[in-house]
Amino acid sequence: EPEVTQTPSHQVTQMGQEVILRCVPISNHLYFYWYRQILGQKVEFLVSFYNNEISEKSEIFDDQFSVERPDGSNFTLKIRSTKLEDSAMYFCASRGTGGNEQFFGPGTRLTVL
Amino acid sequence: AQSVTQPDIHITVSEGASLELRCNYSYGATPYLFWYVQSPGQGLQLLLKYFSGDTLVQGIKGFEAEFKRSQSSFNLRKPSVHWSDAAEYFCAVGASFNKFYFGSGTKLNVKP
Repeated sequence: EPEVTQTPSHQVTQMGQEVILRCVPISNHLYFYWYRQILGQKVEFLVSFYNNEISEKSEIFDDQFSVERPDGSNFTLKIRSTKLEDSAMYFCASRGTGGNEQFFGPGTRLTVL
Repeated sequence: AQSVTQPDIHITVSEGASLELRCNYSYGATPYLFWYVQSPGQGLQLLLKYFSGDTLVQGIKGFEAEFKRSQSSFNLRKPSVHWSDAAEYFCAVGASFNKFYFGSGTKLNVKP
């Protein structure tokens, strides 16, 4: 069964460093999403992406964040200068055209020291 | 603004017992409603969804949920819990298929 994959599963970085979280959506899906979950808190929507541009973003998704589909298979989330409060689990999701379900990856746990 | 409340952070039930996980939402119209489950190290897996029609929806793994408009609720139920159901359960609502609002999750423990 096709699934969304994410790498790495755990990333540790120093405050102020740039990180790139990688996702491989399901191959024929065209809608992509990032969510995050700070430990003990709700899963929060960050951004949706379609047709090589951001469709919608939340107030969390400020100028420190960017997303990119660098090739036909990867979808990345970049945090330019990480802060302690960026420590969270980051989930990628994808959805097919005409579909109503978002398929989620297993998440990347980001720890900012 | 949309919001989702899952009032129970942890629930423990005995194997074979029935289960109900609560979810309340705040939204002006009827939203799209979802229940996801997350096992350790796994992604969020969709259990079931409601868009319209019959207010009792059946999902995978023997789960069902009932949409009650008057109570703004979408509670998840299972008549007989199995040890493999131990996981974290998330309720989510969306005005579209592109942006979901999640509850804070309910961790289910199953006693043998």
